[in-house]
Amino acid sequence: GESVGLHLPTLSVQEGDNSIINCAYSNSASDYFIWYKQESGKGPQFIIDIRSNMDKRQGQRVTVLLNKTVKHLSLQIAATQPGDSAVYFCAENAGNMLTFGGGTRLMVKP
Amino acid sequence: DTGVSQNPRHKITKRGQNVTFRCDPISEHNRLYWYRQTLGQGPEFLTYFQNEAQLEKSRLLSDRFSAERPKGSFSTLEIQRTEQGDSAMYLCATRQGGTEAFFGQGTRLTVV
Repeated sequence: GESVGLHLPTLSVQEGDNSIINCAYSNSASDYFIWYKQESGKGPQFIIDIRSNMDKRQGQRVTVLLNKTVKHLSLQIAATQPGDSAVYFCAENAGNMLTFGGGTRLMVKP
Repeated sequence: DTGVSQNPRHKITKRGQNVTFRCDPISEHNRLYWYRQTLGQGPEFLTYFQNEAQLEKSRLLSDRFSAERPKGSFSTLEIQRTEQGDSAMYLCATRQGGTEAFFGQGTRLTVV
């Protein structure tokens, strides 16, 4: 299959370590944020979301942090596994519009 | 499988030909989006439907591109007189209200 994100920023982590992927968003009116994972040749897959009235939300092995003051979003993945290797995108929602930022490629070393 | 279906998965066409892609959403989802994605980039918004109404269209979208959602269910995206620069992955996403959007697997277009 085709590789996604050949020219994207890359984060390389050791299997079992924690990963932190960052995202800066642009629209102060954005009220909802989503992290997606995209594997090669596939569409983006929902991971976790957060509304603007929250600053932290936890899922299974993943945590999203939102700092509205500096318009920053982060995704933390605990105990990173080889299956987590993919490109990760954040998306911001304002009104009906869902806009994506540039992604980060996560590579997990065994 | 997210429940959003896109066809075809791959399309190779000669420059100047017209192509049409189809997206079948999750049945109860009233909002449908088309995005384009090129290598190394995030999905770029093309157009948005709420039910059958096309409510938003990217200003960057050429008039060779047209989309429809005639009965508020499936949608089609047509590109007329394709150019090599149209080569990309075309993604469809659907959502119910302001919830998370679910993506299809995309249609990979190659214009030769």
